[in-house]
Amino acid sequence: QQQVKQSPQSLIVQKGGISIINCAYENTAFDYFPWYQQFPGKGPALLIAIRPDVSEKKEGRFTISFNKSAKQFSLHIMDSQPGDSATYFCAAGDNQGGKLIFGQGTELSVKP
Amino acid sequence: GAGVSQSPRYKVAKRGQDVALRCDPISGHVSLFWYQQALGQGPEFLTYFQNEAQLDKSGLPSDRFFAERPEGSVSTLKIQRTQQEDSAVYLCASSLVWGRINNEQFFGPGTRLTVL
Repeated sequence: QQQVKQSPQSLIVQKGGISIINCAYENTAFDYFPWYQQFPGKGPALLIAIRPDVSEKKEGRFTISFNKSAKQFSLHIMDSQPGDSATYFCAAGDNQGGKLIFGQGTELSVKP
Repeated sequence: GAGVSQSPRYKVAKRGQDVALRCDPISGHVSLFWYQQALGQGPEFLTYFQNEAQLDKSGLPSDRFFAERPEGSVSTLKIQRTQQEDSAVYLCASSLVWGRINNEQFFGPGTRLTVL
């Protein structure tokens, strides 16, 4: 019930293309859904986050789409650039425990 | 200002040794989290502090793991009698508060622990 399932495990996209990463959760108590970006040797950094009272949030080239009834959310990276090559993690949290449950990660490679 | 810092960045321990990992959160951040990240996996929650109070330690894998934050700032994660399965990157994160208004957790670079 605490799991967050992420797919795909790896993704190769051409420069300028759209990268799409999907996550699904089970626990309906989750009410905070962030996406983190991690480069090798670095800690995760917050990219964008959404709450379930909205279905979409956009910040620059990054968009989160949220489907509360399906308990799924996704990250879309528009106009993908080689500098976006990194590992992306979705996560879920609530206001009770103070902890984030992370997905398994997606290794994105953007080819020039 | 400075972000979350962790030391050491790398630690090699022989099986059975005790290790201590340090986290310096962002100044003024109330909440502090420890996560364990195995190679190729997402971070997994270990424990959470609000100021000096340890509010959740449900993720600590065994009683060999112990965390403290005695003055509500710097935190130390201690692992006793290390085992090979403890090899991982240990991440520390802090946030200003935890609640509906502000949830952003800022992560440090991690300590890579290798147990031989």
